Order: sequence, then structure tokens, then C-alpha cells
Amino acid sequence: DTEVTQTPKHLVMGMTNKKSLKCEQHMGHRAMYWYKQKAKKPPELMFVYSYEKLSINESVPSRFSPECPNSSLLNLHLHALQPEDSALYLCASSRLTGAEAFFGQGTRLTVV
Amino acid sequence: QKEVEQNSGPLSVPEGAIASLNCTYSDRGSQSFFWYRQYSGKSPELIMSIYSNGDKEDGRFTAQLNKASQYVSLLIRDSQPSDSATYLCAVNLYSGGYQKVTFGTGTKLQVIP
Repeated sequence: DTEVTQTPKHLVMGMTNKKSLKCEQHMGHRAMYWYKQKAKKPPELMFVYSYEKLSINESVPSRFSPECPNSSLLNLHLHALQPEDSALYLCASSRLTGAEAFFGQGTRLTVV
Repeated sequence: QKEVEQNSGPLSVPEGAIASLNCTYSDRGSQSFFWYRQYSGKSPELIMSIYSNGDKEDGRFTAQLNKASQYVSLLIRDSQPSDSATYLCAVNLYSGGYQKVTFGTGTKLQVIP
């Protein structure tokens, strides 16, 4: 089973809203990732969690706040986003950092 | 120099032909290399991992790695229209004491029936 589940699949939010993206995996992976992907661009790394600790923050604005409540769950809290933050947000997990990663189906976010 | 480079394409091949996708990377210390396929509007799907010099075959797919030349490629034999997608090369790089996977810009493959 190589399934990573993301919810919701689609999200429309206003610039003053607070929302959260959720990601879950049950493969026993100890590394989890958030990526942002704009149209016709490759996935762009945002955050890496290793053993439930934040190990990489790629200088992401503070309006994006990650959280890893346990080894199976990863959240991305969103607040005061801008229209340019509209993108496909991808969660991925791997056995360890640097190992082959498996992606969820993504959340298509639109900020209005 | 970009960390991971790919030709953006599109690469057009006729059905049944071999499609050859190439990728170069800048970090000589990289140890792990991945190929992902991404259909339009979907998330990336892992199709091959390669860690050692040489060839690795899985069905119609063959990944080739040459660390001395810092080059990794993906061959797709007997290409099918369903193979039409963007192929992303990903390389595990060491940055600031951490490992992170960096993606190339992707090559768009079109298989013509």
C-alpha cells in the first residue's frame, strides 16, 4: 500500500480565512513533505518533517504553518493567504528523508 | 547552473517507438535518483528509483545512471499514447546539512498514435 491521503481535494478561501490542509499515511514512513506546485512548474519543496520534527523550512512565508501531530499525520494551516498562493498543494511521504517519496492526490487551492 | 536540468520538450515520438528522457544534476554527492510521471491536473507518480551506476529495468521502463557524467535517463520502450505526460527527474541533494529531493522542470512527452 503506497497511499497518501489528502483532504480536501479542492478548497476556495478568502484572503481573511483560516483553513487547514490534512495529509495522512499509514506506511510507517518517518519523513513527510509539503510541496507547492504552480501550473506548468515542478513541485517546489516547502517543508520537510523527519521523525515528526521540522527539519527543513524553505523560507516559506509565515502565513503557511505546518504541523505534524504524529507520525501518520501532517497538517498545513493557512491564514491570510494571497491570490498568488493559489496552487496545487502536495503532501508526500518517504521511509526516510531522501528515499523514494509517494505523493497524495493534492489539494487544489484557490484564494479569492 | 540549475541543480537538476531537463529539456522541457515537448518530446514527440510515434506509438511503439522508444522515448528517451534525459536529466543532468549538479551535486556530485547525490546518491538517489527518481523518475516521476505526472498527468495534467494530477499528482506525481513514482515510476522508477535508481541508486547505482548502470541500468535498472521495470517492464517497459529502463532507468540509466552515470554518476561520473552526472547524468540519469529514462527509456520507455513500445511507447503508448497513455504514456503522454510530463516526466519529472528528481535528485536527492544535500543542502545545509539536510537531504532534500529537488525536481527538474520536467519533460513533456507526447506519444503520437
